[in-house]
Amino acid sequence: DAGITQSPRHKVTETGTPVTLRCHQTENHRYMYWYRQDPGHGLRLIHYSYGVKDTDKGEVSDGYSVSRSKTEDFLLTLESATSSQTSVYFCAISVQGNQPQHFGDGTRLSIL
Amino acid sequence: RKEVEQDPGPFNVPEGATVAFNCTYSNSASQSFFWYRQDCRKEPKLLMSVYSSGNEDGRFTAQLNRASQYISLLIRDSKLSDSATYLCAEGEAAGNKLTFGGGTRVLVKP
Repeated sequence: DAGITQSPRHKVTETGTPVTLRCHQTENHRYMYWYRQDPGHGLRLIHYSYGVKDTDKGEVSDGYSVSRSKTEDFLLTLESATSSQTSVYFCAISVQGNQPQHFGDGTRLSIL
Repeated sequence: RKEVEQDPGPFNVPEGATVAFNCTYSNSASQSFFWYRQDCRKEPKLLMSVYSSGNEDGRFTAQLNRASQYISLLIRDSKLSDSATYLCAEGEAAGNKLTFGGGTRVLVKP
């Protein structure tokens, strides 16, 4: 399995609080991605990174920010969590943008 | 209109039978294609990459039809353990990301 670790694996928090999810890789891959997956919507790209300090928005970026200060870590922050952000969040990594992505185990986030 | 579309299913398949399903894409610049398997409450796992006309890995065969802009996945001699959701994804030659379909659910029954 690709060396990808997501933390935390589960989190329950309250509306309005900030939340940060971490994705850590040991593969030295250039590309990293954050997705959310909800019933009926499949995988939706939130943000992605194509290098240290290089990030771009995906299709559902509102309410989320990201940072990548070093190759191995990609952080996803919910600045003020809302109940609509309750979801399963997956991180993925890739050598190149058009090559297969390998996914972490996911983070189950519940916003009450 | 979604760029990558899949029949959500479920495809109910008798054990030992063959099942096939398609994934259509709208981006004519797509160059790389992938099939993933996702089990309930788990992460997607890469099943197969398709760069040219097709690929085969054991009981699984993927075909690419560029003229009609779809890829297919065929599973022969279905096992109960093949029950899962199958996601397709496509990427452009110089793209930064993949586009995923919504997935096709397959249920193999004894």
